[in-house]
Amino acid sequence: DTEVTQTPKHLVMGMTNKKSLKCEQHMGHRAMYWYKQKAKKPPELMFVYSYEKLSINESVPSRFSPECPNSSLLNLHLHALQPEDSALYLCASSQGKQGAHTQYFGPGTRLTVL
Amino acid sequence: AQKVTQAQTEISVVEKEDVTLDCVYETRDTTYYLFWYKQPPSGELVFLIRRNSFDEQNEISGRYSWNFQKSTSSFNFTITASQVVDSAVYFCALSEATGDDKIIFGKGTRLHILP
Repeated sequence: DTEVTQTPKHLVMGMTNKKSLKCEQHMGHRAMYWYKQKAKKPPELMFVYSYEKLSINESVPSRFSPECPNSSLLNLHLHALQPEDSALYLCASSQGKQGAHTQYFGPGTRLTVL
Repeated sequence: AQKVTQAQTEISVVEKEDVTLDCVYETRDTTYYLFWYKQPPSGELVFLIRRNSFDEQNEISGRYSWNFQKSTSSFNFTITASQVVDSAVYFCALSEATGDDKIIFGKGTRLHILP
């Protein structure tokens, strides 16, 4: 089973709202990732968690706040977003954060910021 | 520095034709990993294959085949007898064993299979 689930599938929010994206995997993977993907572009890495600790933050603005409550769950808390933050947000997981491990992706959350 | 180039931005072929998606990579590492992912209109990135730098064997999986050539730093992907369901964006990606644990994606090739 290589399933990563993400909720919600679609999210529309205003610039003053607070919302959260959720990601879950039950493959026993110890690394989890958040990516942002704009239309017609490849995914851009935002954050990496390894063994529930934040290991990479790609200089993401503080209005994006990741959280890893346990090894199966990954959240992305959103606050005071801008319209340019509208994108597809993809979660991924892998056995470890070294490059040898394949990342498996969820279906994504399509975020629209009004 | 690591880099992945997918020179074909968009390709259109008629159903049942064969199509090859090109991928050229750059890396200084001797140990690295190459990937292909498929992204249909629904948005999910679907893992297709991983190849490590020590394994130059070509691989075939049904209508899909991959040709890895270290001499030309290429990892090309061929779909035989294409089908409409193959329409998607295909990303080639690279990660290094001694790098910063990131996957570097190419810009993707958008493939249209016309009925």
